[in-house]
Amino acid sequence: AQSVTQPDIHITVSEGASLELRCNYSYGATPYLFWYVQSPGQGLQLLLKYFSGDTLVQGIKGFEAEFKRSQSSFNLRKPSVHWSDAAEYFCAVGALEGNKLTFGTGTQLKVEL
Amino acid sequence: DAGVIQSPRHEVTEMGQEVTLRCKPISGHDYLFWYRQTMMRGLELLIYFNNNVPIDDSGMPEDRFSAKMPNASFSTLKIQPSEPRDSAVYFCASSLSSGEDKAFFGQGTRLTVV
Repeated sequence: AQSVTQPDIHITVSEGASLELRCNYSYGATPYLFWYVQSPGQGLQLLLKYFSGDTLVQGIKGFEAEFKRSQSSFNLRKPSVHWSDAAEYFCAVGALEGNKLTFGTGTQLKVEL
Repeated sequence: DAGVIQSPRHEVTEMGQEVTLRCKPISGHDYLFWYRQTMMRGLELLIYFNNNVPIDDSGMPEDRFSAKMPNASFSTLKIQPSEPRDSAVYFCASSLSSGEDKAFFGQGTRLTVV
C-alpha cells in the first residue's frame, strides 16, 4: 500500500528565508509525486509534480522539489519565502490509474514578517 | 472551463438529517474522486469513479455514506443519517485517464453536523 509521511506538522520561517518541507513516501513501483498547496478556505492547488526524468522539478510560485529514490523523499523547497506563501502544504503519491492520490497529513507553514 | 464545481460551499445540519453534497467535474475528465479532510485524519480518499462507475469505495467510512454518479457531469455524496463526527471538508476532484496528469480539485464543501 502506498503512504506518505510529512514529519513536520507546523513550520515557521521568516519572510525572505529559505524553506524546505519534508516528504517521504512508500510505494511499490515508480511513484508519481505531487505537492499541493491549500490556502485558508480554498481547495487544493497543484504546485508541481514528478513522473519521470529530471529529479529536480520546478513548479509554480518559485517552488521546486527534488525526487531522491534512495531516500524515498520528495522534499519541497523555496529559496526565499514570501508572506503570501503561508498555507498548508500537502505531499501526495499517485497511482497510475487516474491519479488516485494518497496524501500526507500536511505541513502548516507560517511566515513571520 | 470553470474547474471542478462543488455545492454547497458550506452546510450546517442537525444530527440525524440527510446531507447531499454535489460535484460537477471538469468536462471530459473520466475520473472523479471524493476526499474528506479532517484535522485528525488529514485528506482521505472515500471513493472514486471511472466513466461513472464506482471503482473503489473502500474508503467510505460506513453504510451511512453513499455516492452516485448518474452521468459524466454530476456526482453526489450522501450521508444519511448524519452524525457530528462527519463534520469535515469534503473535496471532489477529477482527472483524465492518463496517470501522467494532475487531479483538479474543487473548493470543497465544509460540513458541520450539530
